[in-house]
Amino acid sequence: GQQLNQSPQSMFIQEGEDVSMNCTSSSIFNTWLWYKQDPGEGPVLLIALYKAGELTSNGRLTAQFGITRKDSFLNISASIPSDVGIYFCAGLGGGADGLTFGKGTHLIIQP
Amino acid sequence: DSGVTQTPKHLITATGQRVTLRCSPRSGDLSVYWYQQSLDQGLQFLIQYYNGEERAKGNILERFSAQQFPDLHSELNLSSLELGDSALYFCASRGSVGYTFGSGTRLTVV
Repeated sequence: GQQLNQSPQSMFIQEGEDVSMNCTSSSIFNTWLWYKQDPGEGPVLLIALYKAGELTSNGRLTAQFGITRKDSFLNISASIPSDVGIYFCAGLGGGADGLTFGKGTHLIIQP
Repeated sequence: DSGVTQTPKHLITATGQRVTLRCSPRSGDLSVYWYQQSLDQGLQFLIQYYNGEERAKGNILERFSAQQFPDLHSELNLSSLELGDSALYFCASRGSVGYTFGSGTRLTVV
């Protein structure tokens, strides 16, 4: 089946630092989504990308849909304590039903 | 509040038992998706319903089944439960704003 390779698995950073994480796939996707999940909650959509090459921002978050349609990255600038959580990439399309998720990036911020 | 409601929030049951998880989608959303989240497998797509009909199946075991009712709420039935079925089960609905997830049901099989 399809797989999304998300990296890094975890990040320990200082408050105020910028963060970068990415997802790659062997399959082409039509849509890339980035979610954040807090403990005890469901994933919350951060950014949706619909076209290859698209660069989209949401506040301090910026994400891009790779030109090959097989990858995407998420950047967080000037991290703050509430950015702590698990970030998931998800792809839609490429022959699979439903969303295909990456394994997540655990973001831990030290004050 | 995401608008997607899942009940119960927590469920503890014994092996061999059967449970039903319930989901109410966002108002106006016709599609409901069920996902399983476990520590080792991450978020896995189980099944999708659209306006009462099954649309797609993912990695759903034969012991699991689902349905969507005329009022669009959905139920996921898990039977002959095994220890390995312990996980978070999420429901998501899809509408004009994309996929919206509920808060999940944490199932613990003992």
